[in-house]
Order: sequence, then C-alpha cells, then structure tokens
Amino acid sequence: RKEVEQDPGPFNVPEGATVAFNCTYSNSASQSFFWYRQDCRKEPKLLMSVYSSGNEDGRFTAQLNRASQYISLLIRDSKLSDSATYLCVVNTRNTGFQKLVFGTGTRLLVSP
Amino acid sequence: DGGITQSPKYLFRKEGQNVTLSCEQNLNHDAMYWYRQDPGQGLRLIYYSQIVNDFQKGDIAEGYSVSREKKESFPLTVTSAQKNPTAFYLCASSTWDSNQPQHFGDGTRLSIL
Repeated sequence: RKEVEQDPGPFNVPEGATVAFNCTYSNSASQSFFWYRQDCRKEPKLLMSVYSSGNEDGRFTAQLNRASQYISLLIRDSKLSDSATYLCVVNTRNTGFQKLVFGTGTRLLVSP
Repeated sequence: DGGITQSPKYLFRKEGQNVTLSCEQNLNHDAMYWYRQDPGQGLRLIYYSQIVNDFQKGDIAEGYSVSREKKESFPLTVTSAQKNPTAFYLCASSTWDSNQPQHFGDGTRLSIL
C-alpha cells in the first residue's frame, strides 16, 4: 500500500462546479498535512495547509479526518485557472527534519 | 523578493559525465531538500540537509552527491553512476517547524544526450 494515495483523475468539470478530492495516508503518526498545486511542467506551489479543525481559504476548503486517515480538498465555483494537478502531502515527522511524502496527484480539468 | 532559485532550467548530460544543479535560497531557511519527479510518480527525496556542513541520504540517493558549505546553497551533482538521470529535479527549503510547508524552486529538467 502506498503511504499517500490519491485518485489520479482526471476530474473533468465545467466552470462553476464544485469538486472534491480525497487523499488517504497510511502512517497514523503523521503530523502535518498540505495541499500543493502543480501546473504542467512547473514546480509545486503550496495551496493550503490542512488543520485538524478544517480550514477554508476563499473557494478552497480542506478537511482532515485523523480517525479514518484521510484528507479532503473541496473547490467551489471552479475557474478555468483551477486546472492543474493537486498534490496531497503528508509530513510523517513531528520534529526537525520534515519527512514529506507526496501523493502522485489528482488532475483537474475545468472546461468552459 | 525572497525565494529559491534553481539553475539551469534545462540541462543535458552526456554518457559518463557528471553534472551539477544549483540551488540557492534567501529565505534564511535551515533545511534544504532535493527531490526528483518522474512522470506519473510522486516526488521522491534524494538528499536533505538540516544545517551547514551536514546532509543525509534520502530514499533514492544512489548516483547523486551534495554539499552544504553555505546556508544559502545546496548544489546537487548527478554522477555518471546514476543510470537513469532523466527527470525533473526540484529543490526545496523549510524552517525547523514541522507545521510549516516546504517552498520549492522552479526546477531543473535534466535529459540524456
């Protein structure tokens, strides 16, 4: 079983749609969680950190379920510019060196 | 502006040649990392460094070497021992706080001639 698993997609949605991605992780000792966005042939860029209480940033909402060991990302009112690959990232260390484990990403395609 | 600079953007390697990828950061981060990304795969850790003059192997260190002589700089050498070097190489840095994310440079694409 992979340490971090994501549905690779692609998710094809029209503009204005709401779309949700899930990500599961296997290490129950994982401490911090992030969603990154990666455009084609570009570096990953932080979209948002994921907190235990859940957090929202504009049209984006992230949730963490430690009991079931999954993280979700909800995108409301999708824009064409949201088309990208979304990487689920888990930090399995709680001090010093960050041992980040990256999912392979979920591809989102937003169409007019 | 603070950030991480990688160079070159594109690099070609001949058989038997060592090549060095540059990574410089002005974020005053203690920790720096090198990852490799292959199509359809997640990023994999090559090497990391927590402080100057110290570095550790990641999950796929064979065929690579690094140095950390300055806090700002963490160059990666892809040696001739790395038989499949074609990939997208990403450098990242972070603070010691495990709740803070890593920040990435814009990457170097390495191909074999």
